[in-house]
Amino acid sequence: SYELTQPPSVSVSPGQTASITCSGDKLRGKYACWYQQRPGQSPVLVIYEDTKRPSGIPERFSGSNSGNTATLTISGTQAMDEADYYCQTWDTSTGVFGTGTKVTVL
Amino acid sequence: EVQLVESGGGLVQPGGSLGLSCAASGFTLSSYWMTWVRQAPGKGLEWVADIKPDGSEKYYVDSVKGRFTISRDNAKNSLYLQMNSLRGEDTAVYYCARRACGGATCSSSWFDPWGQGTLVTVSS
Repeated sequence: SYELTQPPSVSVSPGQTASITCSGDKLRGKYACWYQQRPGQSPVLVIYEDTKRPSGIPERFSGSNSGNTATLTISGTQAMDEADYYCQTWDTSTGVFGTGTKVTVL
Repeated sequence: EVQLVESGGGLVQPGGSLGLSCAASGFTLSSYWMTWVRQAPGKGLEWVADIKPDGSEKYYVDSVKGRFTISRDNAKNSLYLQMNSLRGEDTAVYYCARRACGGATCSSSWFDPWGQGTLVTVSS
């Protein structure tokens, strides 16, 4: 079965840039999206189709997808960005989520 | 406002059955694929099942095939998940989500929005 691998945790200082990677075989040939899940809340879409931001998502969130790795970048990280982040793609009609990354804003 | 509200979770014994519902509002349900995603306590997200707008196609994660059934009633603006032969590893918060598509062939798609989730606990 298809797998997406993320680092378990990323730490960032307020105002700095956080980068979260998502690795999967030939991921560049698929579309990736990203979800933010704050503690005790439901997931929220922050990036879709590799690079697009839904309305209401701050510009500091951006995405890219190249080779076998998709990346979510949070520029000028704020305390409110502390959350779990999951990448997601599709493999032959099956949804696949990444392993998840906990972002800590120190 | 687009909204999804799940219900039906609870405590069930191993081998038992439970039915979940998801009430949709603020959009035309019949225009969208719909999805169930679950999250075991302290764990990550797991895609469970998908259903086409007209209900003619359904897809499941291997671990629930033959035990879970996804269905919908567009006239009632509702999505369902019937869960049979439940196991301890099915314990999770179950979310319903609207699946939006890019392009006519849904070559890309994403989940937005999500409901608040309903907790299913399988234990004796």
